[in-house]
Amino acid sequence: KAGVTQTPRYLIKTRGQQVTLSCSPISGHRSVSWYQQTPGQGLQFLFEYFSETQRNKGNFPGRFSGRQFSNSRSEMNVSTLELGDSALYLCASSPEAFSRSKETQYFGPGTRLLVL
Amino acid sequence: GDSVTQMEGPVTLSEEAFLTINCTYTATGYPSLFWYVQYPGEGLQLLLKATKADDKGSNKGFEATYRKETTSFHLEKGSVQVSDSAVYFCALSESTSGSRLTFGEGTQLTVNP
Repeated sequence: KAGVTQTPRYLIKTRGQQVTLSCSPISGHRSVSWYQQTPGQGLQFLFEYFSETQRNKGNFPGRFSGRQFSNSRSEMNVSTLELGDSALYLCASSPEAFSRSKETQYFGPGTRLLVL
Repeated sequence: GDSVTQMEGPVTLSEEAFLTINCTYTATGYPSLFWYVQYPGEGLQLLLKATKADDKGSNKGFEATYRKETTSFHLEKGSVQVSDSAVYFCALSESTSGSRLTFGEGTQLTVNP
């Protein structure tokens, strides 16, 4: 089975621009979560989608948004980019069995975003 | 809120040395506990997990036991290899917050030959 894929792998943007990142979960997985990884803040949860609905959200400003499509693929968007948005953005998928908190999340390789 | 604290790093060991990376947590409910590993330039890979008290997770020679009384989930390996050099993250997920993972700061492990 193919793993979680993320595109693009690397991205350079300038302040004020917007960016869209894409994530394709493992086939059959219905839950997709996004995380931001930075040297200063570590790994922080952005949001989680299931069946095209956002069901959990972290403590990030409204500039960060996402969506999920009917095939479970997900995108996240960051508008009005700031220098501090430079980070590795990781997507994770899980199969959604009976107990969400006990399930393993499978991570993609990430998209590295640099904001200049 | 929930939190995870890992021992301060980085950790440098010689090959075949014993490894311990400490992890303690704070949670309001009954969390599941995980160790993830990140190799350079890659995403996170699950190393092991434990979903209830006294469970022991194990994989590739690594072990960790879920200790509710000490709110800990320390990672151990009896004999490390150069290929174990990576960043290790302890994480938890609460039953009340679904699959959301709360991570520790990460511990950089370097194993020298």
